[in-house]
Order: sequence, then C-alpha cells, then structure tokens
Amino acid sequence: QVQLVQSGAEVKKPGASVKVSCKASGYTFTSYYMHWMRQAPGQGLEWMGLINPSGGSTNFAQKLQGRVTMTRDTSTSTVYMELSSLTSEDTAVYYCATGRDYGGYWGQGTLVTVSS
Amino acid sequence: DIVMTQSPDSLAVSLGERATINCKSSQSVLYNYNNRNYLLWYQQKPGQPPKVLISWASTRESGVPDRFTGSGSGTDFTLTISSLQAEDVAVYYCQQYYSTSWTFGQGTKVEIK
Repeated sequence: QVQLVQSGAEVKKPGASVKVSCKASGYTFTSYYMHWMRQAPGQGLEWMGLINPSGGSTNFAQKLQGRVTMTRDTSTSTVYMELSSLTSEDTAVYYCATGRDYGGYWGQGTLVTVSS
Repeated sequence: DIVMTQSPDSLAVSLGERATINCKSSQSVLYNYNNRNYLLWYQQKPGQPPKVLISWASTRESGVPDRFTGSGSGTDFTLTISSLQAEDVAVYYCQQYYSTSWTFGQGTKVEIK
C-alpha cells in the first residue's frame, strides 16, 4: 500500500531555513508527481508546489517563488521541501501528497514552528 | 490560478439531518476530452491529514459511506451528507486538480446542532 512518511517536527528561528522530508513506499516512486501543502494553525490548506520525481522538474506557488526548493533522491524514494527566510507566517503543518491523478495519499504532516 | 469558493463557512445540522456544502470554481474544471470534472472533496478531522471522500466530483472513494454524495459539473459543485452522523463532524474542503497548481476552497466546518 502507498505510504508517505514525513520527518519530525521542527522549531526554527526567524530568518532560518527548514528542510522537510517525505519518504514514499508502496508504488513506483517516479510514477507520480509529489505535491506539498501547508496548513497554518486553524487555517485552510495552501498548495506550495510540486516536483516530478522522474526528472526533478518543479512548479511552485507564485507567493513562495525564490524561497522554496524541492528536490528528490530516487535511490531512497524521498522528496525534500526546503523553505528559507522563515517568518512567523510560515508556522504551519506541512504535508506531502501524491497519487495517479490526484492527491489520494498524504503524509502524516510535519509541524514547523517559527519562533524567536 | 483557479479560485475555489465554498459556502457556507460553517453549518450546524441535527443528527440524522441533511448537510449540504457548495463549491464554486472561478473557471470550469471539466475537461472536454474525457468529460471529467477534476474536483475533489476532502474531510479533515483535528490533528489528521485530509482524507479524500469524493474524486472526479462524484466518485466515492473506497470505504466512504454512501451517505456522502458529490454532484455538479463545470464550475458548481455540491457535497451532500444525507444523514449526519456524529463522526461526520469535521472540516470539508473542495479542491481542483484541473491545473497542476492545485487550489482549495477555504473549508466548511460541520457541527452538530
């Protein structure tokens, strides 16, 4: 069965960067795009971007352009999302999601707290 | 980007009664070549990731109770819970995957009256 396991919670200071991982199993890693979303406390879901694990191409939400990077390691079936220049507005649960046509499979979420 | 707008933001329904959530997209999410609407409905409970209830606007995912029904086409969609149960208390989101830049509705909180 498809499983996405994310890295653990992080606490970062303003201005720092955070790197969250998402390890996939149960399917051919290069078959489906991996999307990243985030959800600030008590708020809705925000799409951040995607990576094509096959070639590594990416597409990011305009508001995050220049601050977000997504990479993949095909040898470990792991995708990484790195967000730089963190502010308190980036405090959120970060999710990876994948699926053949839509995000039918989600990771458990990673809480990133930005606090001085 | 395609803007998704849900209504209402919240609703309280008596146990056993019907709950209806609407979702409107700023442009059609219907692909003419396959006549499919690229629209999902999710259920999210506190502390959990979203769970897909309905794909392609009206296809119930495996294991989803049949009291959940999705309908609509083009730009206007509805999620109906025919007989609200206590375990249905959650926030519900619509999402389009017509574009690879996914966008979500703002969410509708469903509570028991």
